[in-house]
Amino acid sequence: RKEVEQDPGPFNVPEGATVAFNCTYSNSASQSFFWYRQDCRKEPKLLMSVYSSGNEDGRFTAQLNRASQYISLLIRDSKLSDSATYLCVVRSRGSSNTGKLIFGQGTTLQVKP
Amino acid sequence: EAQVTQNPRYLITVTGKKLTVTCSQNMNHEYMSWYRQDPGLGLRQIYYSMNVEVTDKGDVPEGYKVSRKEKRNFPLILESPSPNQTSLYFCASSKAQSSLPGFRYEQYFGPGTRLTVT
Repeated sequence: RKEVEQDPGPFNVPEGATVAFNCTYSNSASQSFFWYRQDCRKEPKLLMSVYSSGNEDGRFTAQLNRASQYISLLIRDSKLSDSATYLCVVRSRGSSNTGKLIFGQGTTLQVKP
Repeated sequence: EAQVTQNPRYLITVTGKKLTVTCSQNMNHEYMSWYRQDPGLGLRQIYYSMNVEVTDKGDVPEGYKVSRKEKRNFPLILESPSPNQTSLYFCASSKAQSSLPGFRYEQYFGPGTRLTVT
């Protein structure tokens, strides 16, 4: 079983749609959670961290459920520029490799006019 | 401008010909790491470095070497490249965990190096 699992998609949605991505992680000792965005084989860039209480950044809302080991990302009012691959990322506690990020395969979003 | 740079960006080489991919960051980050990205497998860590002269294996270190003689540089060395090392490689850097609360942690990635080994 992969440590971080995502539905690879692709998700094809019209502009203005609301879309949700889900992610599950297997290591209950995971400490920090993030969503990264990756455009067309370019480098991943941090979209937002995911806080235990949930957090919002403009049209983007992230939720964390530690009991179910589940992370979600909601995008409201999708724009063409939101088309990208969204990577669910986890960082574990208790390892000497304190910077190690564990990536999901990514979910591809294509927003169409 | 704060950034991570990698060179070369694209490289086509033949089996067995030693190569080095350079990585440099200008943010005075302690932690640096190399990842490879392959279809269906996502990003996987090759090697990492907690600070100067401190390096260790990640999840897929076979066939690779690294060094960290200076804080800003973290080159990836393929002594004898093979076709299964054809991949997209990313260098990344971040502050050490101890200097930041976990939820503010961010790892910065270089633009990537697309390597083809024939």
